[in-house]
Amino acid sequence: EPEVTQTPSHQVTQMGQEVILRCVPISNHLYFYWYRQILGQKVEFLVSFYNNEISEKSEIFDDQFSVERPDGSNFTLKIRSTKLEDSAMYFCASSGATSKELPTDTQYFGPGTRLTVL
Amino acid sequence: AQTVTQSQPEMSVQEAETVTLSCTYDTSESNYYLFWYKQPPSRQMILVIRQEAYKQQNATENRFSVNFQKAAKSFSLKISDSQLGDTAMYFCAFMKRSNAGKSTFGDGTTLTVKP
Repeated sequence: EPEVTQTPSHQVTQMGQEVILRCVPISNHLYFYWYRQILGQKVEFLVSFYNNEISEKSEIFDDQFSVERPDGSNFTLKIRSTKLEDSAMYFCASSGATSKELPTDTQYFGPGTRLTVL
Repeated sequence: AQTVTQSQPEMSVQEAETVTLSCTYDTSESNYYLFWYKQPPSRQMILVIRQEAYKQQNATENRFSVNFQKAAKSFSLKISDSQLGDTAMYFCAFMKRSNAGKSTFGDGTTLTVKP
């Protein structure tokens, strides 16, 4: 069964450093998402991406964050200058699209990348 | 904005028994989806069951079923014949039918199945 993959599984970085989290969505999916989960807290939406542009972003997704689909398979989340409070589990998800170009309702989540900012 | 509330931070159940996890939500949307996700200690989010708001019939997936009360904005998950492998954090989530696919999650309920 197709699945979403994420690398690395764990990333440790120093405060102020840039990090790039990578995701390979399911191959025929067209919508891509990033969510984060601070330890012990709820899963929070960061951003959705379709047709090479952001569809929606949350207030968390400020200028320090960016997303990119650099090729036909990868979807990345970049944090330019990490802060201690960016430490969290980051989940990538993908979904298909309907004939009206709306996202299908089922999102498939990757295993997550645990980001630790020291 | 949508909100999702799970009022039970922790629950436990004996193996083979039935447990119900509660979820309420608030929205002004009429066209939306509701989901229950399972997050075991391995931390990967797994979709358990989904419900389309326009469908009155409650969704069922094997031992998992929901009680969807649209007017009350309630979406509870019933797990029958609980198994040790059901031990996990369970999240209720809401998604409005839109061009963005954003999901809003509840705080989660930690379920422990005891042998």
